[in-house]
Amino acid sequence: SQKIEQNSEALNIQEGKTATLTCNYTNYSPAYLQWYRQDPGRGPVFLLLIRENEKEKRKERLKVTFDTTLKQSLFHITASQPADSATYLCALDGGSGNTGKLIFGQGTTLQVKP
Amino acid sequence: DVKVTQSSRYLVKRTGEKVFLECVQDMDHENMFWYRQDPGLGLRLIYFSYDVKMKEKGDIPEGYSVSREKKERFSLILESASTNQTSMYLCASSLALAGVQEQYFGPGTRLTVT
Repeated sequence: SQKIEQNSEALNIQEGKTATLTCNYTNYSPAYLQWYRQDPGRGPVFLLLIRENEKEKRKERLKVTFDTTLKQSLFHITASQPADSATYLCALDGGSGNTGKLIFGQGTTLQVKP
Repeated sequence: DVKVTQSSRYLVKRTGEKVFLECVQDMDHENMFWYRQDPGLGLRLIYFSYDVKMKEKGDIPEGYSVSREKKERFSLILESASTNQTSMYLCASSLALAGVQEQYFGPGTRLTVT
């Protein structure tokens, strides 16, 4: 069955450093991958989408890579700030045509210390 | 901006009660989704709807039903609430254009069943 894995352990980094989060998947060939941010007690917020034919996508301090051979996406936050502390979720398309279904990973919590 | 609202942020119900969770979106999105989120299990899809009066089961539909009588409103119904339905419930919506679109989430309803 399809499986998405994100590091369940929290990632702690110092302010100003680059945070790198990993999303691995198996038994699956998604057409696209999305990243969301979730703050405690709130709904996820969409950040970036990358398609299978794109290697890299950038948005301000965020960068996402998508390696369909390794079945992995990396999510980078450069010059991290304490305000970047949150849980980050990756999501893959549900593979059911245009229903818009997504399969979410469990998320990785990022803590940026000043 | 897309706005997805949920009827309650916090709800406490007794075992056996019928529970209604309401979700409204204001951007004319075709797709709407109900998820539950539990620690260690991530976001799990309960039901989704791609049009008025249309619905499909997600990964964990048991114990739940849904209703979509109007395009902007998607309701989740717990016919007879049980303690194992204590969870954070999240509603989301998205456009149904070709390819995939990001999902917009509501703030969530934290339901406690006692």
